[in-house]
Amino acid sequence: GQQVMQIPQYQHVQEGEDFTTYCNSSTTLSNIQWYKQRPGGHPVFLIQLVKSGEVKKQKRLTFQFGEAKKNSSLHITATQTTDVGTYFCAFQGNNYGQNFVFGPGTRLSVLP
Amino acid sequence: DSGVTQTPKHLITATGQRVTLRCSPRSGDLSVYWYQQSLDQGLQFLIQYYNGEERAKGNILERFSAQQFPDLHSELNLSSLELGDSALYFCASSPSGEARHEQYFGPGTRLTVT
Repeated sequence: GQQVMQIPQYQHVQEGEDFTTYCNSSTTLSNIQWYKQRPGGHPVFLIQLVKSGEVKKQKRLTFQFGEAKKNSSLHITATQTTDVGTYFCAFQGNNYGQNFVFGPGTRLSVLP
Repeated sequence: DSGVTQTPKHLITATGQRVTLRCSPRSGDLSVYWYQQSLDQGLQFLIQYYNGEERAKGNILERFSAQQFPDLHSELNLSSLELGDSALYFCASSPSGEARHEQYFGPGTRLTVT
């Protein structure tokens, strides 16, 4: 089945520093989604990327989809304490009936 | 508030018992997904329903079953519970059964098996 890795597993940053998490798939993806889960909360959809090489921005967040559509990244510029949480990449298999797969997540801590 | 509701919020039960978790999707959403999240773990996909029909199945144990009713709400049944079944169970909904739509998650049901 499809495998997905996210690195790093944990990241501690000082407020104001940048942060990047990477998501790598063993197979080509039709699309990829990113979710954020705050401590004690539920996952919240952030964005979806569909096209090869696509880049999307949401304020301080920049999302990229690799040219080969097998990897993606989320970059946060000048982190704030409100960015604390776990960031998951996710996708569903390309064929009908395929599982929906969430990456293991990257847990971000921001020190004030 | 995502518009997805889950009941109960907390559930404490003993090993060997059976419980039912309930999920109401956002108005208009046809697809429901169930996930299990153990302590400090990622989200494990269990099963997806679309408009009453099973669409995709993940690593769902045989002791677990689910269904989606005509009014589109869904129930996840967990039987012969074991200590290892203690986890947060999330339901999510999306407008269609296709991967191109984002999922909206409910607040979850925290199950504790003692």
